[in-house]
Amino acid sequence: QSALTQPPSASGSPGQSVTISCTGTSSDVGGYNYVSWYQQHPGKAPKLMIYEVSKRPSGVPDRFSGSKSGNTASLTVSGLQAEDEADYYCSSYAGNNNSVFGTGTKVTVL
Amino acid sequence: QITLKESGPTLVKPTQTLTLTCTFSGFSLSTSGVGVGWIRQPPGKALEWLALIYWDDDKRYSPSLKSRLTITKDTSKNQVVLTMTNMDPVDTATYYCAHSGLLWFGAFAFDIWGQGTMVTVSS
Repeated sequence: QSALTQPPSASGSPGQSVTISCTGTSSDVGGYNYVSWYQQHPGKAPKLMIYEVSKRPSGVPDRFSGSKSGNTASLTVSGLQAEDEADYYCSSYAGNNNSVFGTGTKVTVL
Repeated sequence: QITLKESGPTLVKPTQTLTLTCTFSGFSLSTSGVGVGWIRQPPGKALEWLALIYWDDDKRYSPSLKSRLTITKDTSKNQVVLTMTNMDPVDTATYYCAHSGLLWFGAFAFDIWGQGTMVTVSS
């Protein structure tokens, strides 16, 4: 099972939007609506930001939104803030009771 | 409030077996839909899902590591144990356990994570 493909980096100025892609196959991202996104600050544990493609857990700002088209899922952070600077990982159910994470994207707030 | 904490050795030798314990509070692993998973992260690298155990003792393993992994639960102690055999230096990583709520967050979404424990494999 190969890792989902994410761009290594993305950036934006405060107040702008940044979108991160997560590309898989029809056996994972494209086949199920079980895509999650995690935010990880340096030295910290990941935090669930989006589940089931576009749903936000309680407490996650609505600046964070998720979507999916075909085999590619996306996370958009609107109104970028300094605290959004972190690594972001996507994850997808991959069938046969298996799960796969993405390669990770470092978001920089300029 | 849900919390999880990993414990185990910080250093293991190649070929040895690693045993990690996840001790949790704030939920019961006998509640329908609840699971606890293990995820690892080598230094500077991406996350990798390892295993997941559900309230009904259903167990799931990463296909690439399935032959080396065993996950068990002790509901009375609020603990989940992961064993990984034949450790190799490439297994050096931070190992996390995390709560999974199948009925609330869908398959393989982990909403609460432990702080992680760093394991180094070296002779």
